[in-house]
Amino acid sequence: QKEVEQDPGPLSVPEGAIVSLNCTYSNSAFQYFMWYRQYSRKGPELLMYTYSSGNKEDGRFTAQVDKSSKYISLFIRDSQPSDSATYLCAMARNKLVFGAGTILRVKS
Amino acid sequence: GAVVSQHPSWVICKSGTSVKIECRSLDFQATTMFWYRQFPKQSLMLMATSNEGSKATYEQGVEKDKFLINHASLTLSTLTVTSAHPEDSSFYICSAQTTQGTDYEQYFGPGTRLTVT
Repeated sequence: QKEVEQDPGPLSVPEGAIVSLNCTYSNSAFQYFMWYRQYSRKGPELLMYTYSSGNKEDGRFTAQVDKSSKYISLFIRDSQPSDSATYLCAMARNKLVFGAGTILRVKS
Repeated sequence: GAVVSQHPSWVICKSGTSVKIECRSLDFQATTMFWYRQFPKQSLMLMATSNEGSKATYEQGVEKDKFLINHASLTLSTLTVTSAHPEDSSFYICSAQTTQGTDYEQYFGPGTRLTVT
């Protein structure tokens, strides 16, 4: 069993839709939870990070962590074509462990 | 923001040759740099952790004699793929952690695509 599970998609939505991206994990030792965005042939860019259970909002992005269920989510409101990318969840204890990434396509 | 560069961005080499990839932190000092490998449609896999002035720590299954890492200064780490073979073809990404950083404050480079023919 992988430490971090993430549906690879692709997920295709119309412009303006609310997007929900999710990851589950098995190791309760993870302390930090991150979401990265990666455009094709580029390195990952940090979008959001959280430490505790609950929600964290930054503009159109909301990160949610439920440690009891070992489940994290990223919500994107009013999605734009420029949001089309691969979204990677990552978790940290003494190193980053990444999910496989979900390909998101926002159609105009 | 913190900027990390990689050079080259892509390289094609023949089987049996060696390739060096550079990772530089442009506007900050990085005591720790990380090297990842990413296959198409797969996750980033940590290969090794590199600390300035000391030997790199390799993840299980990564051949240290094949993937030579040197972190000679606070702004430069290099990865040399020795005697490359087609199965080494992949996307190699480095990240750098600032001296005040925690585990998650890693800034990623744009990646280097290696193709071994």
